[in-house]
Amino acid sequence: QSALTQPRSVSGSPGQSVTISCTGTSNDVGRYNYVSWYQQYPGKAPKLMIHDVNERPSGVPDRFSGSKSGNTASLTISGLQTEDEAHYHCSSYTGRSTWVFGGGTNLTVL
Amino acid sequence: EVQLLESGGGLAQPGGSLTLSCAASGFTFINYDMIWVRQPPGKGLDWVSSISGGGGNKLYSDSVKGRFTISRDNSKNTLYLQMNDLRADDTAIYYCAKKVLSPGYHFDYWGQGTPVPVSS
Repeated sequence: QSALTQPRSVSGSPGQSVTISCTGTSNDVGRYNYVSWYQQYPGKAPKLMIHDVNERPSGVPDRFSGSKSGNTASLTISGLQTEDEAHYHCSSYTGRSTWVFGGGTNLTVL
Repeated sequence: EVQLLESGGGLAQPGGSLTLSCAASGFTFINYDMIWVRQPPGKGLDWVSSISGGGGNKLYSDSVKGRFTISRDNSKNTLYLQMNDLRADDTAIYYCAKKVLSPGYHFDYWGQGTPVPVSS
């Protein structure tokens, strides 16, 4: 049950695009198309942004997109806005009602 | 409106016990699997435990297995996490979250969290 690997921090300027990676193993990210991404502001609850690798829930801007290749999933935020500055956590289903999360990535919008 | 409200957190001593509650509203509680996730200070999220809608299937992370017990009272729309033999590394904010209906494997609503500092 090792945590998924995310960069501790990424940054970008308003209007630019950033990509956050999430690396797991063949037992989690590589095995299941059940990767999800959560946005979290300091002191607040996580909010679902992407599920099933690349599906956006209603209400999430289409600037947010997800993808996966092998054991690595990615969250891309295009057209960065100041309100996108937050922590982002990835998660993967690992079978039999168990999950693993990443260490979280702090996104700074310069 | 779906709401999840955790309570029961607070300072605990090493070796001590604490029971967290998560009061749910705005959805048919018994139909949904629920989980507990924790977040140590300055760190990422960590899956702790999950329970099926009927309560018959319970899973735990290796780090809490044998010490924590997840349960639910569907008549009260409440999820619980009983934590025994607490350690310093259990210090975290504990969140409950609602899993979407199968075949989905993500969590669409989260509570605001309840802090559990473990210290002597």
